[in-house]
Amino acid sequence: QLHLQESGPGLVKPSETLSLTCTVSGGSVSSTDYYWGWIRQPPGKGLEWIGSIYYSGSTNSNPSLKSRVTMSVDTSKNQFSLNLNSVTAADTAVYYCAKLGYGGNLNCLDPWGQGTLVTVSS
Amino acid sequence: SYELTQPPSVSVSPGQTASITCYGDNLGNKDACWYQQKPGQSPVLVIYEDAKRPSGVPERFSGSNSGNTATLTISGTQAMDEADYYCQAWDSSTAVFGGGTKLTVL
Repeated sequence: QLHLQESGPGLVKPSETLSLTCTVSGGSVSSTDYYWGWIRQPPGKGLEWIGSIYYSGSTNSNPSLKSRVTMSVDTSKNQFSLNLNSVTAADTAVYYCAKLGYGGNLNCLDPWGQGTLVTVSS
Repeated sequence: SYELTQPPSVSVSPGQTASITCYGDNLGNKDACWYQQKPGQSPVLVIYEDAKRPSGVPERFSGSNSGNTATLTISGTQAMDEADYYCQAWDSSTAVFGGGTKLTVL
């Protein structure tokens, strides 16, 4: 059964870069059948899609965040990563990683990682 | 940018049918996904391709999508179904989520 786990600092200073890694187990990040996605949820608010990446390194990002987002895949470690630069308090959120694709369709996210809270504060 | 609109809250009595709507321009021409999120937990996919249930999702969950509105229906609602529900679709290579609906089982 596929399992995803986010990891990274829980506290980031304003103007610095938020860096998170998602480790995939029970499956391969090199699969040609899926993409891998990042989603965030500010405390008490709704979900916001950040972007997705394919094993080849091809990416797609939310236009509202695109200029600050970098994503990568490390097939040797079965991981994919997110960097978000120039963070502000507005970037404080629970960050989730997820597999993009279910039932032969690449539209939905399943499963999701447990999420990790990142707070932006000095 | 594309928007999906959900009612902030829906209430239902146990055993009754709950319907949660998601409105978006020409949404019926897109595939809709629905997620359930309980407090302190990650979202879980409950409907994909408008109306299909992932393995393990109870049959009381169903979906439809036509025109500008996608609907998640929960028949015979149980207390365990109390949660936030989010719709999601794609527009111009961007995933869009609805604002979420809090389902209360009274």
